Amino acid sequence: AAGVIQSPRHLIKEKRETATLKCYPIPRHDTVYWYQQGPGQDPQFLISFYEKMQSDKGSIPDRFSAQQFSDYHSELNMSSLELGDSALYFCASSSKKLRLAGTNEQFFGPGTRLTVL
Amino acid sequence: DQQVKQNSPSLSVQEGRISILNCDYTNSMFDYFLWYKKYPAEGPTFLISISSIKDKNEDGRFTVFLNKSAKHLSLHIVPSQPGDSAVYFCAASDPRTGTASKLTFGTGTRLQVTL
Repeated sequence: AAGVIQSPRHLIKEKRETATLKCYPIPRHDTVYWYQQGPGQDPQFLISFYEKMQSDKGSIPDRFSAQQFSDYHSELNMSSLELGDSALYFCASSSKKLRLAGTNEQFFGPGTRLTVL
Repeated sequence: DQQVKQNSPSLSVQEGRISILNCDYTNSMFDYFLWYKKYPAEGPTFLISISSIKDKNEDGRFTVFLNKSAKHLSLHIVPSQPGDSAVYFCAASDPRTGTASKLTFGTGTRLQVTL
């Protein structure tokens, strides 16, 4: 079965550079979530989109922005990168159909490891 | 403010025995709970979930128990297998957080199943 695809898998950037992470949800999933996992930490919610509209916002810095496109893929744009932005960035997807059925499983991609030097 | 806590950072269990992973939460509005398994350099893999209207859900070797009054849930793995060795995250969602309910994760428990 098709899973969540994230690209790139690894990214190395210098301080103050920009980065764009991409996420392709499971087919027919209309909801995308972004999470950040620092070393030795639990995943922290950043932002989510449902049907191309922002749904919820977590601890996402103002330097970051994201959007969901008409084909439901999402991009996380990160500017003025700082050393502390080095982390694993996970995208997850789900669907309203699943939520209406009473479940809230989110299916995660393999993550993008961002290293800021 | 850690709303979901896994107080045991690590657990070692012999192959064939039961593994019990625990999770506590503080937000009484959480209504859906999930367990994820994570290997290094991979994304979390969904294992099993439970709605707050139930107190038990079983899927093969995995059973999740929910005690709402104690705000506690646990994951039982029976029998444990070496391939179960991974980090296990407990997660919860609050239906008030918008159309797409975010997950709040615990800090994880590293399970090591020994031969």
